[in-house]
Amino acid sequence: EIVMTQSPATLSVSPGERATLSCRASQSLGSDLAWYQQKPGQAPRLLIYGASTRATDIPARFSGSGFGTEFTLTISSLESEDFAVYYCQQYNNWPETFGQGTKVEIK
Amino acid sequence: QVQLQESGPGLVKPSETLSLTCTVSGGSVRSHYWSWIRQPPGKRLEWIAYIYYSGSTYYNPSLKSRVTISVDPSKNQFSLNLTSVTAADTAVYYCARLPAAPYYFDYWGQGTLVTVSS
Repeated sequence: EIVMTQSPATLSVSPGERATLSCRASQSLGSDLAWYQQKPGQAPRLLIYGASTRATDIPARFSGSGFGTEFTLTISSLESEDFAVYYCQQYNNWPETFGQGTKVEIK
Repeated sequence: QVQLQESGPGLVKPSETLSLTCTVSGGSVRSHYWSWIRQPPGKRLEWIAYIYYSGSTYYNPSLKSRVTISVDPSKNQFSLNLTSVTAADTAVYYCARLPAAPYYFDYWGQGTLVTVSS
C-alpha cells in the first residue's frame, strides 16, 4: 500500500500568517490527492481534492498544489477557525491511505 | 445536504463482534459508494471498507478476514460488522460517502467511539 508522510507534525503559526503543509507519497499519485481538516471531536471535512480543487464552500484562502509524490496545502492567512489537524489522503491506489496529520496550532 | 449518522454499542468485549449502522439522510444509498473509516486514539485514519448499493464490496486487505459491510436500501442504511475484536480495534468509527471508488470522502458522519474492553 502507498505510505503517506506529512510534515511537519506540528506547525505553530500566528493568526494572519501563511501556513504551508507538506505531504509526500511513497509512489506517484498523479493528482489523486485530497486534504481534510479535523477539529477536536469533529469528523474530517473535505477541503481539497484532485490535489488543487477546492471542495464546496471552502474559502479561497485554502489552496492545494503538487503532482506525483509531493503535495502542499497552503493557508494564505490563518484565521482562528483554521487551527486544527490536517490530513492528506491518496486515492490513486487501492486501498486509500491517509497521512499521519499536521497539527496547526496558535503561536 | 447529505447527512450521515453512526449508531451502535460504545463498548464491545474482546473476541466479540462489533456492529455499527450508518443512517443516511438527504440522499440515497442507491447512488455513490458508502464507506467505514476508523481512527484509533492518537493515530491516523484507516479506511476499512466500502460498498456500492448493487452489493459490490471492497475491503482493506489488513482487515478483510474479519469485516463485512452491507447496505439496506429500504432503510437507507449501511452497516459494518467486525469480528473477533481486540483492544487494537478501539477507535472512533466514521461512516462516509465517496462519489466513486477509489476516491475521496466528501461527506462524513460525526463518528462514534467504540471501546473494546472486558
